[in-house]
Amino acid sequence: SQQGEEDPQALSIQEGENATMNCSYKTSINNLQWYRQNSGRGLVHLILIRSNEREKHSGRLRVTLDTSKKSSSLLITASRAADTASYFCATVSNSGYALNFGKGTSLLVTP
Amino acid sequence: GAGVSQSPSNKVTEKGKDVELRCDPISGHTALYWYRQSLGQGLEFLIYFQGNSAPDKSGLPSDRFSAERTGGSVSTLTIQRTQQEDSAVYLCASSSPSGGLNTGELFFGEGSRLTVL
Repeated sequence: SQQGEEDPQALSIQEGENATMNCSYKTSINNLQWYRQNSGRGLVHLILIRSNEREKHSGRLRVTLDTSKKSSSLLITASRAADTASYFCATVSNSGYALNFGKGTSLLVTP
Repeated sequence: GAGVSQSPSNKVTEKGKDVELRCDPISGHTALYWYRQSLGQGLEFLIYFQGNSAPDKSGLPSDRFSAERTGGSVSTLTIQRTQQEDSAVYLCASSSPSGGLNTGELFFGEGSRLTVL
């Protein structure tokens, strides 16, 4: 399966701290995407990093990609309580049509 | 519409009944996806539509599940003879012609929460 797997499964930090989540995948990719899901809601696209990119920034988000290790990391700097959510990485399936999602990292940011 | 709309938002049904879940994608989005998310789990791909055709039905878990899309817009996911293990949140997503997987991004609806008693 090309499904990404996030690590850790759960992460609890205090406001102001940085949160780092990791994603590993199994086969070659064109790009890797990160999504956020607030409790009881749909997923929201955060950032996409292409296979020829090593790092990408968007606001307080920083994503890295290491294709040699088949891994990616999502860093949220200066976290806020509103960042509390589940975070998923996603890669394209073998069929080329769908995104495969991991089980996600559940992030809790306490005030 | 402004976003992907799904209905019903919540559905409680008895085992053995049929259910229909509806997805109205963002206007102009030709690609449409159905996913299933069980409690505390990741997303399980069910089916993908490009226009009205479904080139990838590989994720449908059994022949009790079917989906159609008419007019290249609204899609319906039907589950026949529901079982308790069908209880989950069913998420729909769409993407634009210039979007799609190589450029991101999928736009998700809020989901339909199905509970089978």
